[in-house]
Amino acid sequence: AQKITQTQPGMFVQEKEAVTLDCTYDTSDQSYGLFWYKQPSSGEMIFLIYQGSYDEQNATEGRYSLNFQKARKSANLVISASQLGDSAMYFCAMRVGMDSSYKLIFGSGTRLLVRP
Amino acid sequence: EAQVTQNPRYLITVTGKKLTVTCSQNMNHEYMSWYRQDPGLGLRQIYYSMNVEVTDKGDVPEGYKVSRKEKRNFPLILESPSPNQTSLYFCASSFEVTQFLTGELFFGEGSRLTVL
Repeated sequence: AQKITQTQPGMFVQEKEAVTLDCTYDTSDQSYGLFWYKQPSSGEMIFLIYQGSYDEQNATEGRYSLNFQKARKSANLVISASQLGDSAMYFCAMRVGMDSSYKLIFGSGTRLLVRP
Repeated sequence: EAQVTQNPRYLITVTGKKLTVTCSQNMNHEYMSWYRQDPGLGLRQIYYSMNVEVTDKGDVPEGYKVSRKEKRNFPLILESPSPNQTSLYFCASSFEVTQFLTGELFFGEGSRLTVL
């Protein structure tokens, strides 16, 4: 079954510290993509970072990096130097399929609270 | 401005009263999709469309209908809403996945629906 698992319903981090949000996935596809989205309290969904299954290097976007461990089927999000504005819900998602038919499967999310 | 527009943003209705949530994108995206977000469950796909006149069921299609008569529009229809369809709904769109395009979803702002 194709599935995304986020085991941390909620997390706290001190401002300016780094935090890792866990994500494991399950698919038998060889080609897939992994995404992280941020949902602030205002409700919109903001794309953060992408990792392709064939990418050998971990993706980075500013303070966000994706720790991709293919053998373990994990795609953890690392936020460095946390800021108060990072307080939000974070969703891990996986794209399966290609070209003419694909879908994104989301995890249940992790709520991150950054403490001043 | 590139965007996905959903209407209405908020709606309270009663059981059995048909309603339509509209979704329009101005990015010429082939792929469009509807998700519902419920606490503890993340985002679950309702329906998706790879292109005009092509639609497919997602994971939770019961009680919903969609149509894709034009590339830019993808309305979600609840023929006879029930209280278990009370949720936050997101429309999203994307380019078709290629070796250069990742399939990143662009989301609307969400429509909060309450069925009494």
